Amino acid sequence: DAGVIQSPRHEVTEMGQEVTLRCKPISGHNSLFWYRQTMMRGLELLIYFNNNVPIDDSGMPEDRFSAKMPNASFSTLKIQPSEPRDSAVYFCASSQDEKLFFGSGTQLSVL
Amino acid sequence: AQSVAQPEDQVNVAEGNPLTVKCTYSVSGNPYLFWYVQYPNRGLQFLLKYITGDNLVKGSYGFEAEFNKSQTSFHLKKPSALVSDSALYFCAVSAYAGKSTFGDGTTLTVKP
Repeated sequence: DAGVIQSPRHEVTEMGQEVTLRCKPISGHNSLFWYRQTMMRGLELLIYFNNNVPIDDSGMPEDRFSAKMPNASFSTLKIQPSEPRDSAVYFCASSQDEKLFFGSGTQLSVL
Repeated sequence: AQSVAQPEDQVNVAEGNPLTVKCTYSVSGNPYLFWYVQYPNRGLQFLLKYITGDNLVKGSYGFEAEFNKSQTSFHLKKPSALVSDSALYFCAVSAYAGKSTFGDGTTLTVKP
């Protein structure tokens, strides 16, 4: 298996623009997680899905953030409108048997 | 609520010496405990986990961790450090399979 695949690897955008991050989990994994990593706040759980259903979105910082999982092999995290303070590395992870498998992340810079 | 504390931002050891990276946790009920490693510009990689059973857990790359319920600790250890072990290490806790809370991470530097 290719592992968790995230795209794009890097995204540079201007404040106010819409940003969409994509994730393909490992086939057969029934849980998917979106994390955000910054120097100031460390690794934060934004939202997680189980069997494509959002279970806990309490970590989503604002209504500007939304996430979907239309099927077992694809998820998106959208920020609209983006702000400079959203700049971070966003990780997607999938899991089975408790342990998490992380993608390589999307480095987002909002100017 | 569940939480993890990694009291050391940095740990420095000489190659060949034993290393310990500390972690304490707080959770309601029986904990699921994990260690992950992150190399520069990469996602986190699973090292080992404790769910139940033997308090000493062995994982990847020669790492092991000891679960201590009375001290609510789960320290990561390795008998002989390698320069290639230099990375950022995260401890994580979950009250159930799924939502894990991560510590702030400890940067391990192994010097030749």
